[in-house]
Formats: sequence, structure tokens, C-alpha cells
Amino acid sequence: AQSVTQLDSQVPVFEEAPVELRCNYSSSVSVYLFWYVQYPNQGLQLLLKYLSGSTLVESINGFEAEFNKSQTSFHLRKPSVHISDTAEYFCAVSDGGNTGKLIFGQGTTLQVKP
Amino acid sequence: EPEVTQTPSHQVTQMGQEVILRCVPISNHLYFYWYRQILGQKVEFLVSFYNNEISEKSEIFDDQFSVERPDGSNFTLKIRSTKLEDSAMYFCASTSGLVRGGELFFGEGSRLTVL
Repeated sequence: AQSVTQLDSQVPVFEEAPVELRCNYSSSVSVYLFWYVQYPNQGLQLLLKYLSGSTLVESINGFEAEFNKSQTSFHLRKPSVHISDTAEYFCAVSDGGNTGKLIFGQGTTLQVKP
Repeated sequence: EPEVTQTPSHQVTQMGQEVILRCVPISNHLYFYWYRQILGQKVEFLVSFYNNEISEKSEIFDDQFSVERPDGSNFTLKIRSTKLEDSAMYFCASTSGLVRGGELFFGEGSRLTVL
């Protein structure tokens, strides 16, 4: 069975500071990894994903995540955050099986302070 | 840009009442899902649906829950007799399923409050 652990429930950070949101997964098969973001009062939106190939993946708004198979991690990073990045971030794993379902972590609240 | 839409955005109901949450997935998508998020907890998988039948369900999805695609556009989640612990945000999602590891597109959620 697959599982995802997000080690930090809340991450407060000042604007323009770097941030890392941690995600570890467990799976007995090859996985696809995702980060979703949930802004206040909105649904879940895909931020970035790793399917294969380069272990470093990037989003259009400056976030990046690195797939590390040996450490079973997929940490999310941004070198300089903005107030508008304040949101809930969810790491998720899929085995790409017949149903395509995702298993989510507990979520990390990123609070960017001015 | 096509999107998944959910109604109602918020529903308050009395314990024991039946509730139907509605979703309109993206039109060319083939796989449909319901997830729920109890306040302060993780997003949990409930059920997946493909080709007019349930393809997988979690242990949360007991006999009180059912899903249906009554026509070509709607995808509904029914809770027959709501319990206090059913209070949560319910998310519908869909995907084309054409690519393994494809993105799930989520609606904005329906908040269910059971009193």
C-alpha cells in the first residue's frame, strides 16, 4: 500500500525568504508524484508532477521539487516566496494503476508573512 | 478553460437525512472520483468510477454511500443517512485517463455540515 507523509503541518516564513515543504512517500512499485495547492476557499490545483525523466521538476510560478528515489522524498522548494503563495500544499502519490487514484499527505499550510 | 463544477457549495443537514452532492466533470473525461477532507485532516480517497461502474472504493465508502452518473454530464455522491462524522468538504475530480499518472482535475468542493 502507498502512503505519503508531510512532515510539517505549518510552515511560517517571511516574504522573499526561501522555503522547503517536505514530503516522503512509501510504495512498493514505481510511482508518480504530485504537488497540489489549495488557495483559501478554492479547490485543489496541480502545482507540478514527476512522472519520469529528470528528477527536478518545476512549476510556472517558481516552485520546484526533486524526486529522490533513495530517500523516497519529493520535497517542494521555492527560493523566494510571495504573500500570494500562502496556501495549503498537498503532496500526493499515484501508482498509475487502473483507477489512477491519488493518495494524499496531510497537507502543509504555508503562511507567508510580510 | 474547462473545469469541474460542484453543487451545492455548502449544505447543512440534520443527522439521518439523505444528501446528494452533484458534480459536472470535464466533458471528455472518463474517470471520476470523490474525495473528502474532514476539517484539519488529509484529503481522503472515497471512490473511483469508470465506464458506469465503481472501479475502486475505500473502506470509508460503506453502504451509506453511493455514486451515480445518471446522464452524460452529472456525477453524484449520495449519502443515505448522514452522521455527524460525515461533516467534511467533499471534492469531485476527473481525468481523461489517457496518460498513466495523468493529472486529476478537482472541483472547488462541497462543504457538508451535519447537525
